[in-house]
Amino acid sequence: QVLLLQSGAEVKKPGSSVKVSCKTSGDTLNSYTISWVRQAPGQGLEWMGRIIPVFGTTKYAKKFQGRVMITADESTSTVYMELASLGSEDTAVYYCAGRRDVGYFYMDVWGKGTTVTVSS
Amino acid sequence: QSALTQPRSVSGSPGQSVTISCTGTSSDVGGSNYVSWYQHHPGKAPKLMIYDVNKRPSGVPDRFSGSKSGNTASLTISGLQAEDEADYYCCSYVGTYVFGTGTKVTVL
Repeated sequence: QVLLLQSGAEVKKPGSSVKVSCKTSGDTLNSYTISWVRQAPGQGLEWMGRIIPVFGTTKYAKKFQGRVMITADESTSTVYMELASLGSEDTAVYYCAGRRDVGYFYMDVWGKGTTVTVSS
Repeated sequence: QSALTQPRSVSGSPGQSVTISCTGTSSDVGGSNYVSWYQHHPGKAPKLMIYDVNKRPSGVPDRFSGSKSGNTASLTISGLQAEDEADYYCCSYVGTYVFGTGTKVTVL
């Protein structure tokens, strides 16, 4: 069973950017579709976007278009999510989540989450 | 895309059944064969409980079941157990994913 290993907690200033990583362990990254989902304090889960590394294609939620970029580095089996122009409302736990192979529309493997705090 | 609507909370005694609704529109839940449900204990990663409306991943107890009628999907937990106390989220895929607002299940 693959593990998704996420980078550590971040503290950022308003207006800056954050880049969170998600490394697959136990399977090849190219076999997966990886999404990013976040949960702000007291709020629900929110899907941000996804990447299919084998095709290099991305899709983003309208809310985040223009402000988020999801990339993949096959050589290190790592997916990155970069969020720009941070505001206090971006304080959240960010999860990467995925499913092996394409053509399946759910997420059955999850990282443990990365806490991003935006504060001046 | 707006979040799908779920009740804020449901509760039941051990052994009882509870059902969580997830209401959307014909553009999401009603038009999708790809509704999934996730269990989320605070501080842990979410866990897939149901996919493709009514399919259960291996390892998920058969007391969890899913269904859909029109623009509303439902998750039923039969024989409620203490460890089922958690937040539950529905999720619909129609080109992009949209989650529900979340439901806190309390075992009395």
